[in-house]
Formats: sequence, C-alpha cells, structure tokens
Amino acid sequence: AQSVTQPDIHITVSEGASLELRCNYSYGATPYLFWYVQSPGQGLQLLLKYFSGDTLVQGIKGFEAEFKRSQSSFNLRKPSVHWSDAAEYFCAVYSGNTPLVFGKGTRLSVIA
Amino acid sequence: GAVVSQHPSWVICKSGTSVKIECRSLDFQATTMFWYRQFPKQSLMLMATSNEGSKATYEQGVEKDKFLINHASLTLSTLTVTSAHPEDSSFYICSALGGETQYFGPGTRLLVL
Repeated sequence: AQSVTQPDIHITVSEGASLELRCNYSYGATPYLFWYVQSPGQGLQLLLKYFSGDTLVQGIKGFEAEFKRSQSSFNLRKPSVHWSDAAEYFCAVYSGNTPLVFGKGTRLSVIA
Repeated sequence: GAVVSQHPSWVICKSGTSVKIECRSLDFQATTMFWYRQFPKQSLMLMATSNEGSKATYEQGVEKDKFLINHASLTLSTLTVTSAHPEDSSFYICSALGGETQYFGPGTRLLVL
C-alpha cells in the first residue's frame, strides 16, 4: 500500500531564510507526486506536481521540489521564505488507481 | 483554470436537520470527485469517491446512509449530511479530478448545534 511520510510536524523559520520540507513515499513504482498548501480555514491549493521527466519541478509562489527516486523523496524547497508562506503543507501521492494519499502535514511558522 | 467551488462556505444548523453541500468544477469536467473531512490540526480524511452517473464508493467506517453523495453531472457533486448531530461538525472539503491532478474546493465549515 502507498504511504507518505512527512517527518516534521512543525517547522519554524525566519523570514528570508531558506526552507526545506521533507516528504518520503512508499510505492512500488514511480507515483504522481504533489505538494499542496492550506491556509487556516481554507481548502488546499496545488503548489506543484511531478509526473515524469525533469526531477526538479517548479511551482507557484517560488516553490520547487526535487524527486529523488533513490531516496523515495520529494522534498519541497524555497530559497527565501515570506511571512505569507506560513501555512500547512501536505505532500501527496497518486498512483492512478487509488485515491490521493496524503502525508500528515507540516505546519510552517515564519518569524520576523 | 481548474477551479473548484463549494457552497455554502459555512453553515450552522440544528441537530436533526439535513445539510446539503455542493461541489462544482467551474472550468473543467470531472467524472470523479472526492469528499474529505478534516478535523482541527489534522490531515484530510477521505470519506468517499464520487463517480458521475454511478454510486459513490465509501471508505471504511463512513456511513453511506448518513452521508449521501450524488454526482449527477460532470461538474457537480453534492454531499448531504442527513439528520446531522453535533459530532458531524467539521470542515468538509471536496476535490475534482482533472487528469491525474486533484483540485480542491475551499471547504465548507459545518456547525451542528
């Protein structure tokens, strides 16, 4: 069965600092990989996705993620965090045959 | 593109009444939509998969007679919480499948008094 692990429940970074949110997945083949962001009381917004091809994908709001098959990882990065990036971030995988499988989320706090 | 709306955004109702939540894909057609429930500070819990023109597939532990799902068109799925009770109070989020990507609605907050 597919699974997604986000090891960090809560991360705090200073505004302007770089950010990396970790995501590891378990799946027999290469799944479709996603990162979503959720602000309080809101739905989920798609940041970026990886299906195939270039393993470094660019998303909205200056985010990028790198797929590393050898590590079964799809970590999300941003070079300089803004206060408006404070939110909950979810990594998810989709195989095409089963519903989206989410990680438990990482809450990002941004301090001045 | 790929916008999903939900209506209402929030609803307060009395215990015992039924509440209908609509999920619409505004600029694409979705044969498959999903309904999730989210508790505070937790991830999304899939309730059911809604397929246009057929019966919904419910996840284990979700009462299909309590959470009625109808997917009558390629752009609309509805979730009806029947005889709502305070424990049904939650944040309900739908998503629509566009290709291999799920696009999410803004959510509906339900409070049952």
